[in-house]
Amino acid sequence: DADVTQTPRNRITKTGKRIMLECSQTKGHDRMYWYRQDPGLGLRLIYYSFDVKDINKGEISDGYSVSRQAQAKFSLSLESAIPNQTALYFCATSGGTGQRKSTDTQYFGPGTRLTVL
Amino acid sequence: KQEVTQIPAALSVPEGENLVLNCSFTDSAIYNLQWFRQDPGKGLTSLLLIQSSQREQTSGRLNASLDKSSGRSTLYIAASQPGDSATYLCAVRTDSWGKLQFGAGTQVVVTP
Repeated sequence: DADVTQTPRNRITKTGKRIMLECSQTKGHDRMYWYRQDPGLGLRLIYYSFDVKDINKGEISDGYSVSRQAQAKFSLSLESAIPNQTALYFCATSGGTGQRKSTDTQYFGPGTRLTVL
Repeated sequence: KQEVTQIPAALSVPEGENLVLNCSFTDSAIYNLQWFRQDPGKGLTSLLLIQSSQREQTSGRLNASLDKSSGRSTLYIAASQPGDSATYLCAVRTDSWGKLQFGAGTQVVVTP
């Protein structure tokens, strides 16, 4: 089973709809991230969370909100979707397990392709 | 603000040739630099991570160098194979919390 899973994998929605993208991880990591990827722009950080009680805005948080329901779950919401939020969304995790702390490598989910019409 | 640039945006080579991918960044105050591979429909896979105190890292046919003072990193892939076709992204870690700043990537096609 994949260590970092994202649901749904693909979603088409209409302008104004509320959308939730979900991310789960089995790596036991404390840090989780949401990115979006647009053609020619690389990945940009939307939100990041260092534990359940610590959530921070990234580079492009406007129009998005997040919820860290548990250490293993981090959800991204688009309250009122607009066409320029059409993109590929990635969840990632980093951090150690147990006594080993290593925040250097981020592990990515397979992505959610979101289309807003 | 840290800017990360990857040139060229796309590259096509015949099988067997060596690949050279470039990454440049504007602020030399980085913690580390990471190279990722992205395949269509899949997430990013970490290939190599170079700490700011290191000059290079090697893994099999892959070798990455880092010149922090000039703001450059190069990923070398020896004896390319069609299975190396993918998009390669570099990312620099910019703070103690682990946030990454990504380049836009280089799309590589290796033709048989």
